[in-house]
Amino acid sequence: RKEVEQDPGPFNVPEGATVAFNCTYSNSASQSFFWYRQDCRKEPKLLMSVYSSGNEDGRFTAQLNRASQYISLLIRDSKLSDSATYLCVVITREGGYNKLIFGAGTRLAVHP
Amino acid sequence: GAVVSQHPSRVICKSGTSVKIECRSLDFQATTMFWYRQFPKQSLMLMATSNEGSKATYEQGVEKDKFLINHASLTLSTLTVTSAHPEDSSFYICSAIPRFYNSPLHFGNGTRLTVT
Repeated sequence: RKEVEQDPGPFNVPEGATVAFNCTYSNSASQSFFWYRQDCRKEPKLLMSVYSSGNEDGRFTAQLNRASQYISLLIRDSKLSDSATYLCVVITREGGYNKLIFGAGTRLAVHP
Repeated sequence: GAVVSQHPSRVICKSGTSVKIECRSLDFQATTMFWYRQFPKQSLMLMATSNEGSKATYEQGVEKDKFLINHASLTLSTLTVTSAHPEDSSFYICSAIPRFYNSPLHFGNGTRLTVT
């Protein structure tokens, strides 16, 4: 089993739709979680940090479920510009160093 | 916000030459830097994890003698692709994480390497 797994894509949704991505992680000691967005041929850019209490930024809501070891990203009222690949990133502290694991990414395509 | 600068953004070189890519954290100290490679329409693939002052940890299948990583300071890591071949043509991205582990990862803007 991979340490971090994401929903397989692509997700093809119409404008205005609500879409949700999940990302599961296997290491219960993982402590930091983030969602990144990557556009074609560009570097990933931070979308949101994920907190236990959940956090919202406009149309985007991220949540962490420690008991079930997954994080989620909800996008409401999808826009064409939301089309991208969404990566979850999990960081664990091991032996004094940061161990980074990220998912393979979920591709979202929003169509008119 | 924290910025990671990667240079060069694009390089074309001949087969057999070596290419050095720099990754700098501009306004924070990065205890850990990561190097990735991404082929067209594929996911980011972690190549190696570099901790300041120690040897890099390479992922399985990544040749350490071919991809030399140096993390000599808390603000600079370099990746040298030695004796590059056309199959090494790819998009290379670095990222860095500040001292506090619960800070997000910051990515460089990537280097597109083309080996002819």
